[in-house]
Amino acid sequence: NAGVTQTPKFQVLKTGQSMTLQCAQDMNHNSMYWYRQDPGMGLRLIYYSASEGTTDKGEVPNGYNVSRLNKREFSLRLESAAPSQTSVYFCASTRSGSRETQYFGPGTRLLVL
Amino acid sequence: GENVEQHPSTLSVQEGDSAVIKCTYSDSASNYFPWYKQELGKGPQLIIDIRSNVGEKKDQRIAVTLNKTAKHFSLHITETQPEDSAVYFCAASMVSTDNQFYFGTGTSLTVIP
Repeated sequence: NAGVTQTPKFQVLKTGQSMTLQCAQDMNHNSMYWYRQDPGMGLRLIYYSASEGTTDKGEVPNGYNVSRLNKREFSLRLESAAPSQTSVYFCASTRSGSRETQYFGPGTRLLVL
Repeated sequence: GENVEQHPSTLSVQEGDSAVIKCTYSDSASNYFPWYKQELGKGPQLIIDIRSNVGEKKDQRIAVTLNKTAKHFSLHITETQPEDSAVYFCAASMVSTDNQFYFGTGTSLTVIP
């Protein structure tokens, strides 16, 4: 049982480049989340998917898109990366919405030059 | 939306002493309050949680208290050990009306041997 996995672990992009962050969970969870973590700002929600087939914006969705590919996978896409998107990105999942324990992946560290 | 404030941002204690981290929330509809521990280079991990129908919960050296009237909750770690050194996050969610978690900005705890 791997839990929540994220790829890549680290990525360097140039301004304007695009990339997709991958997330998968093997716990049969319904809900999945993408956060960004910046110094002094805690974890801020980018997008979430309460269940397969649905996605909703969080606190900081601008510049990002998501796809809930199936129950296991939830990807985050940066269409045109900006230096302000330099951050550590965490994917998380819960069995069902915000009433359950949230399990986090190990994170993707992204640097945009 | 919900606003969660967390204090202090940094905390240093001597090994064996107690540590207390406090959070306040703004929306009285919040009813689930998890605490996460994040070690360097890893994703956050749940250490204890409390629901609004309970005032206190304890798990070995860790306890959480909730005051619904004042809208604040606290994490208490007794007999601290060097391995307790990490960043701790509080969070709040409104189960049944919202699928999001709202996080505090984190407390960096250092336990001095």
